[in-house]
Amino acid sequence: AQSVTQLDSHVSVSEGTPVLLRCNYSSSYSPSLFWYVQHPNKGLQLLLKYTSAATLVKGINGFEAEFKKSETSFHLTKPSAHMSDAAEYFCVVSREGNYQLIWGAGTKLIIKP
Amino acid sequence: KAGVTQTPRYLIKTRGQQVTLSCSPISGHRSVSWYQQTPGQGLQFLFEYFSETQRNKGNFPGRFSGRQFSNSRSEMNVSTLELGDSALYLCASRSQGAYNEQFFGPGTRLTVL
Repeated sequence: AQSVTQLDSHVSVSEGTPVLLRCNYSSSYSPSLFWYVQHPNKGLQLLLKYTSAATLVKGINGFEAEFKKSETSFHLTKPSAHMSDAAEYFCVVSREGNYQLIWGAGTKLIIKP
Repeated sequence: KAGVTQTPRYLIKTRGQQVTLSCSPISGHRSVSWYQQTPGQGLQFLFEYFSETQRNKGNFPGRFSGRQFSNSRSEMNVSTLELGDSALYLCASRSQGAYNEQFFGPGTRLTVL
């Protein structure tokens, strides 16, 4: 069965420093994986998705994620945090067969000035 | 293309009443999913409809139900409202395929008094 675990419920970084949001997945096949972002009082927006074409995926706003099959991870990174990155981030895996999306619990990213 | 639309955007009801929320997916999308989002429980999957059939269901009581029409528009209904049903209800549509992401509407904010 597919599952996804976001290893940190909260991550706090200073503006201008790197961001790392961790996501591990469990899947018996090669999954499709997504990162979504939700800014306060806003809707959910797709940041990036892994579609098996390339293991390093670039998304919007300078974010990227690397698919590592051996580690079953899909961590989200950004070289330099900006105040506008403060939001909640969700890692999502697509379930084999009926394509149901399995959502992680979310990680709140806090940016310190 | 127009995005996912949800009506109404805000709703106030009292305990014991019932409510119907509506979602219009992106044109051509046949999959519609519903989620409940609360500060305490986070984002929780309610159900997914595909071509008028419920394809997946989350762990919610039978008071929560939904349906999808032939034009892919979807409604969800909550009967005998409880205070704990106060939440943001999100609808998302998706085209078929494992790598296809969900597109979210702005949500309906339901307050139960």
